[in-house]
Amino acid sequence: DQQVKQNSPSLSVQEGRISILNCDYTNSMFDYFLWYKKYPAEGPTFLISISSIKDKNEDGRFTVFLNKSAKHLSLHIVPSQPGDSAVYFCAASVGDDKIIFGKGTRLHILP
Amino acid sequence: DAMVIQNPRYQVTQFGKPVTLSCSQTLNHNVMYWYQQKSSQAPKLLFHYYDKDFNNEADTPDNFQSRRPNTSFCFLDIRSPGLGDTAMYLCATSREQLAGGGNEQFFGPGTRLTVL
Repeated sequence: DQQVKQNSPSLSVQEGRISILNCDYTNSMFDYFLWYKKYPAEGPTFLISISSIKDKNEDGRFTVFLNKSAKHLSLHIVPSQPGDSAVYFCAASVGDDKIIFGKGTRLHILP
Repeated sequence: DAMVIQNPRYQVTQFGKPVTLSCSQTLNHNVMYWYQQKSSQAPKLLFHYYDKDFNNEADTPDNFQSRRPNTSFCFLDIRSPGLGDTAMYLCATSREQLAGGGNEQFFGPGTRLTVL
C-alpha cells in the first residue's frame, strides 16, 4: 500500500520553462514532507522540505506547495535548467526518524 | 568534506553466498539507515539505528541483518542472497529529529548488488 504516490514516471520540460512535479499521499498524519533529487550513480540529495503547518516554502528556483485538504504537494522549478534533469523523489514523515518515499519522477529538461 | 561512503559500489554474488555491504560516515550523525531500492521503485527502509538501538521494519526479511560497531560504521549482511535481492542498497544518516521539524537524510552513493 503506497502511502506516497508519484503518478508521473517521467516529465519533459523545455529549458527556461516551469517544471511542476506532483505528489499525493494517503496518510493524514504525515507532518513533514521532503523532496530529494537523484542523479545516476549517486545517492539522493535533499532539495527542499515543508512542514505540515505551512502551505508554501521557497528556496531560490524551487518552491514546494502543500495542499493538506487534497493530500497533495507539488514542487515547482522555475526557470528549469539542464542540470535539473534527474529523478525527483517525494517523501513524507510522521513524527519519527523514518521517511517514506514515492517511486520518483524522472525529469528531462529539453534544450 | 563530510560525507557518507559506501563500499563496494558494485557487488556481484552467487545465489546463497553471504555478502556484506559497508557504510561509513564522517557527519557524526546518530541515526543510520539502510534502504533497498529496486528498479523504478521507491527506496524501501530495511532498518535503522538510533545510536546503538536497532529498529527493524516489520517486513524486512530475516535474511537481512545489520551491525553498527560504532557511530561511524554500519554494515548490511545478507546471509543467503536470493535472486530477488538484486537491487541498489542505499545507506543514509541523519541527526535525531528536530522538535517540530523533519529529518533531512544524507545518502551515500549506494551499492548495486547483483545476485546470479
